[in-house]
Amino acid sequence: GAGVSQSPSNKVTEKGKDVELRCDPISGHTALYWYRQSLGQGLEFLIYFQGNSAPDKSGLPSDRFSAERTGGSVSTLTIQRTQQEDSAVYLCASSAYSYEQFFGPGTRLTVL
Amino acid sequence: AQSVSQHNHHVILSEAASLELGCNYSYGGTVNLFWYVQYPGQHLQLLLKYFSGDPLVKGIKGFEAEFIKSKFSFNLRKPSVQWSDTAEYFCAVNTGTASKLTFGTGTRLQVTL
Repeated sequence: GAGVSQSPSNKVTEKGKDVELRCDPISGHTALYWYRQSLGQGLEFLIYFQGNSAPDKSGLPSDRFSAERTGGSVSTLTIQRTQQEDSAVYLCASSAYSYEQFFGPGTRLTVL
Repeated sequence: AQSVSQHNHHVILSEAASLELGCNYSYGGTVNLFWYVQYPGQHLQLLLKYFSGDPLVKGIKGFEAEFIKSKFSFNLRKPSVQWSDTAEYFCAVNTGTASKLTFGTGTRLQVTL
């Protein structure tokens, strides 16, 4: 079946611009996660949605980062006023009510 | 908060050599443990997982890992590596159903012919 998909696969932006990254989870998965993979920081948790519960935003690095999940499915991660240190691969994962998370291919963000 | 340590950052092995990658975690409660692999140009894939029961778990492609609770360890092993095992390997932990993963820094494995 279809896995987690993310778009765009690559995004190049200028410092100070806003960007939106999209994640389509596996159909029926109730939990959705965003992580960031960068050279200096490894794989870091950003935010997590579970059903209709309030999201766990504890990993967001600053208030420039936000995410929403519409209709319990698609999620958008928004980064406002991008900075060069935001350059990274942004990964989305989803899971059913289980422990295993399935990852998407990621969006490579480059901030010039 | 939990943390995960992977002590081997870069490992180079010849084909057919045995592999053991270390993973230690820091958390006093019940944990679920995972090894993920990222092949060059590909996304993260689950190799194996431990939730409960037999502490020796077997995953895909001949990999296995042993959970040793007293040592807070979950080391990954493979008796004979192949060139196609060249990848980055991540150990991860979470503490409940559908909860965030905490990853180690990863081990880059390079297998030479």
